[in-house]
Amino acid sequence: DAGVIQSPRHEVTEMGQEVTLRCKPISGHNSLFWYRQTMMRGLELLIYFNNNVPIDDSGMPEDRFSAKMPNASFSTLKIQPSEPRDSAVYFCASSSGRETDTQYFGPGTRLTVL
Amino acid sequence: AQSVTQPDIHITVSEGASLELRCNYSYGATPYLFWYVQSPGQGLQLLLKYFSGDTLVQGIKGFEAEFKRSQSSFNLRKPSVHWSDAAEYFCAVVFQTGANNLFFGTGTRLTVIP
Repeated sequence: DAGVIQSPRHEVTEMGQEVTLRCKPISGHNSLFWYRQTMMRGLELLIYFNNNVPIDDSGMPEDRFSAKMPNASFSTLKIQPSEPRDSAVYFCASSSGRETDTQYFGPGTRLTVL
Repeated sequence: AQSVTQPDIHITVSEGASLELRCNYSYGATPYLFWYVQSPGQGLQLLLKYFSGDTLVQGIKGFEAEFKRSQSSFNLRKPSVHWSDAAEYFCAVVFQTGANNLFFGTGTRLTVIP
């Protein structure tokens, strides 16, 4: 298995631009998670999906952030408009869905907003 | 309040020395407990997890962790550290609320001296 795939690996954009991060979970997994990692706040959950349905989006910072999961093999995290404070590493993870299941993380997308 | 704490931000050990990384949680019951490792520029990899049974858990790469209910702790140990163990280590918990999202500690950065 290829593991969780994220693209792009690096993204540099200017303030005000739209940014779209992509994630392909491990085949057969039915839970998908988006995390953000910053020096100030550490690793924090933004949103997670079960069976393509958003379950908890309380970690999404504000309306500029949105996430979709149109099917079991693809998810996007969009920031519009982007701001410098959005600069972070964004991780996608997937699991089989139970609380005791291992979450498998992708390599992350390093986002820099100038 | 539910929380997970890693008291040590940075630990330095000599190669071949033993290692113990601390993790404490605050919760009214026993959460599901995980240790992840993050190498520079990489995603997170699961080392081990605990959710029931034997309180001493064996993981990958020679790591083990012991759950102590009386101390609300889940400390990670390794008897002899290798230079390749230099990384950031995260303790994480799933609070048994029906949601399966991970709450991460702030991480402990491990430096290994040759």
